[in-house]
Amino acid sequence: GESVGLHLPTLSVQEGDNSIINCAYSNSASDYFIWYKQESGKGPQFIIDIRSNMDKRQGQRVTVLLNKTVKHLSLQIAATQPGDSAVYFCAEIIQGAQKLVFGQGTRLTINP
Amino acid sequence: DAGVTQSPTHLIKTRGQQVTLRCSPKSGHDTVSWYQQALGQGPQFIFQYYEEEERQRGNFPDRFSGHQFPNYSSELNVNALLLGDSALYLCASSLHKVYGYTFGSGTRLTVV
Repeated sequence: GESVGLHLPTLSVQEGDNSIINCAYSNSASDYFIWYKQESGKGPQFIIDIRSNMDKRQGQRVTVLLNKTVKHLSLQIAATQPGDSAVYFCAEIIQGAQKLVFGQGTRLTINP
Repeated sequence: DAGVTQSPTHLIKTRGQQVTLRCSPKSGHDTVSWYQQALGQGPQFIFQYYEEEERQRGNFPDRFSGHQFPNYSSELNVNALLLGDSALYLCASSLHKVYGYTFGSGTRLTVV
């Protein structure tokens, strides 16, 4: 069935350290994955995406890794800053569908 | 360039009442999707509108209905409100069959 889950509901890191947020998905027909950041009182904000024919994609301070063998997705944030504090969601789109399937989210807290 | 705008930002309704939420998509987008986000959860897909027709629907009862207007804006209607309908309702716009979704800040609905 469709499901996108996260390994950890909360993550606390020191400012300046790297953060890794993980996500497991179950549908092998998923062909597009997105990471969103959601701050309090706001809607999800696009961070980075990756298609199923790729295994890595880099953006500014962020990297997404996709392991299709074990159906695992991760978001790496380099040199974490206080502004990175938020809830992070992974989402998938199953091939042929046009809807996003979200996981439950991971709350990232940055310690000074 | 305006992003996705939703109104109202907050709303309090009584059980059994009806509510209408509104969404204006990002300029250039022609498709609108609605999501329900319960507290502490990831958004859940309600339905998607394109060319003024409902194209896809998630696992939501018929109490949830929508409309899309010729200018691509959209409304979400919920009848016979239940306490469990209390949530953040998010609108996301996109270009038809293009993987790129922009979310609004949502409408916080509280049913008492």
